[in-house]
Amino acid sequence: DAKTTQPPSMDCAEGRAANLPCNHSTISGNEYVYWYRQIHSQGPQYIIHGLKNNETNEMASLIITEDRKSSTLILPHATLRDTAVYYCIVRDIRDTPLVFGKGTRLSVIA
Amino acid sequence: DAGVIQSPRHEVTEMGQEVTLRCKPISGHNSLFWYRQTMMRGLELLIYFNNNVPIDDSGMPEDRFSAKMPNASFSTLKIQPSEPRDSAVYFCASTLTGISGNTIYFGEGSWLTVV
Repeated sequence: DAKTTQPPSMDCAEGRAANLPCNHSTISGNEYVYWYRQIHSQGPQYIIHGLKNNETNEMASLIITEDRKSSTLILPHATLRDTAVYYCIVRDIRDTPLVFGKGTRLSVIA
Repeated sequence: DAGVIQSPRHEVTEMGQEVTLRCKPISGHNSLFWYRQTMMRGLELLIYFNNNVPIDDSGMPEDRFSAKMPNASFSTLKIQPSEPRDSAVYFCASTLTGISGNTIYFGEGSWLTVV
C-alpha cells in the first residue's frame, strides 16, 4: 500500500510555479521521498528525491518539512509539457521497489 | 546511453495464446523490476530481481504469469495462456542497488491487448 496522500488533481497556469503537496505522516527515518511523473503513454520518469534536506535539480525543487511528514514538489515555471500524473513515493534506503499510489494529475493550462 | 529497452511496444493477441514480453535493463544495473499498469489498479509491482535472482514475486497475479532473468542483460515476462483481463501496459525498470538513494529507470512499456 502507498504510504503517501496526494490530491487527485491540480491545475496550474503556464509559466507559473506548480506546487504539488504530499503527505507522508508515517515516514520513518530510513525512508526517502521520491517524485516521479508519468506523461501520457510513457513510462514513469524520475524527477527528484530527498531524505531530510531540501533538494533542487534542473527539473524541480523538493521541499521537505522539518518533521518530514510532508513535502512539496515545485516546478518553478510550468509548461504545457509538464502536464502529467505526479507520484510522491516513500522508499526505504535499503533499495526496496517503488510502490505507486494514485498520484496527482497536474494540468498546465495555457 | 540507452535506457531500459522493452519489446514489443505493442502486441495484440487472441485469448489463449502465449505472450512473451522482453526487457533489456540499463548496462551495469543489477536490479530489474516488472510492473503492470491498468486504469483500475494503477501501477503494480509484479516481480523484481537482484543479481538475476527473483527476490519478490508476490505481485505475480497467478500461475499463468512467469518471469525469468537468464543473465544480467535480459529478462522476460511470459503469460500463458493469456486472457482478456491481462490487457495492460507492462513496464520494466532497472537500477543499481547498493547505493542508497539510487534512481530506478523505466522503459517505455509494452502495450498488451488480449482479445
